[in-house]
Amino acid sequence: KAGVTQTPRYLIKTRGQQVTLSCSPISGHRSVSWYQQTPGQGLQFLFEYFSETQRNKGNFPGRFSGRQFSNSRSEMNVSTLELGDSALYLCASSSGQGGPDTQYFGPGTRLTVL
Amino acid sequence: AQSVTQLGSHVSVSEGALVLLRCNYSSSVPPYLFWYVQYPNQGLQLLLKYTTGATLVKGINGFEAEFKKSETSFHLTKPSAHMSDAAEYFCAVTVPVNNDMRFGAGTRLTVKP
Repeated sequence: KAGVTQTPRYLIKTRGQQVTLSCSPISGHRSVSWYQQTPGQGLQFLFEYFSETQRNKGNFPGRFSGRQFSNSRSEMNVSTLELGDSALYLCASSSGQGGPDTQYFGPGTRLTVL
Repeated sequence: AQSVTQLGSHVSVSEGALVLLRCNYSSSVPPYLFWYVQYPNQGLQLLLKYTTGATLVKGINGFEAEFKKSETSFHLTKPSAHMSDAAEYFCAVTVPVNNDMRFGAGTRLTVKP
C-alpha cells in the first residue's frame, strides 16, 4: 500500500497570508489527524477528521481549520499567518475504527513564515 | 487525559552499547503505547506498539519495549546501538475511547563511533 502523502513538502509564506496543506491517507483509512511540530513546543495535536467530520480538536486558535473529503483526503488551512506558525505540519492516517488504532505519518510539510 | 513523559531530552551512547530511552505514562484507563522514530526532515515511523497481551513488545530495527503497569513505564531498549539509530524518538499514548494520541517531548539519540 502507498503511504501517507503530503503536499507540498515545503512552503514559504509571508505574515498575513493564508495557506492550505493537503494530505492523502493510506487507502482504506478513514481518519486523518494533523499535528504541528516545532522545536519549542514539540508535537502538538491540531485536529482529527473521520468520515468528513471533525472528531477531535486540540487547543489551537480558529485560524487553524481543516476539512475532509469523501475520499478521506484532508486539507488544513491556516489564515492570517503569523511568524510563530512556522513549523513542520504532519498528517497521520489510521483506520479510525477504535481499538489499537495505529497512526501512520506522512513526511510533513515544512512551512516557513517570513 | 492521558499523557507521557520522556526522561532525558538527549541521550548519547557509543556504537555497540545498550540503548535505553525512558517513557512513563499517565492514563486513567488501560492505555495503548507507541514508540516512533523521526529522522531529520522526515515524518514519524512506527517502531513498535503495545496494545494488550504480551508486555514485552518487539519492533523494527532490533528495538523492543516492555510495558510495566506497576511502574507506569514503557521504556525502549536496543542491545547494541548502530550509527543509523541516531534520530529523535517519541513515546506516545492513546486510549481505546478516542483517537487522541499524546506525544512525549522526544529524546534525541546520538551514537558515537
